[in-house]
Amino acid sequence: DIQLTQSPSFLSASVGDRVTITCRASQGISSHLAWYQQKPGKAPKLLMYAASTLQSGVPSRFSGSGSGTEFTLTISSLQPEDFATYSCQQLNSYPITFGQGTRLEIK
Amino acid sequence: EVQVVESGGGLVQPGGSLRLSCAASGFTVSTTYMNWVRQAPGKGLEWVSVIYSGGGTYYADSVKGRFTISRDNSKNTMYLQMNSLRAEDTAVYYCARRSTGDPDAFDIWGQGTVVSVSS
Repeated sequence: DIQLTQSPSFLSASVGDRVTITCRASQGISSHLAWYQQKPGKAPKLLMYAASTLQSGVPSRFSGSGSGTEFTLTISSLQPEDFATYSCQQLNSYPITFGQGTRLEIK
Repeated sequence: EVQVVESGGGLVQPGGSLRLSCAASGFTVSTTYMNWVRQAPGKGLEWVSVIYSGGGTYYADSVKGRFTISRDNSKNTMYLQMNSLRAEDTAVYYCARRSTGDPDAFDIWGQGTVVSVSS
């Protein structure tokens, strides 16, 4: 199975900050990576797919990059509604796997 | 509106069974890859099972032999039959669509249904 490791697991930041979350795969997955945002008590919401393609309706302050084994999600200027948990997911092969999540909190 | 709605969760004793349902609207389940994903309390997301558009199925090792995924095309609904339930199966269970084109991701999620396994 392909393991995904996110870093950091917890991030404290302020409104307006630029933040970056990293996701590393245990083997190459090309660009078959997605990012999700999840708020407490809610279902995950798709932000990004194919590593760097913004899902329709997602603000442009979100961006993604990477291929192979290392990927990043960047939020250019944090807004109050961005404080949530972010998870990466590999879709290169089944079993599909997720990273453990990065909890982004307000400083 | 494109959406999925889960139902069927509840409290069950260890060793018991439950059947979850995922009713879709706005699209046809038989033309996509439909998945179950679960999230234990305070934990991350764990993929559970998929039923492909062609009808093939695949399971996580943690549920293989105990869970069965299926669908009823006439009802546009997917199911997850869960047998021999264990405490570690306690989670919110989500159904999620993976389209066969773009986006290659889980783009539609339900609100989740809670499964609690406890005596």
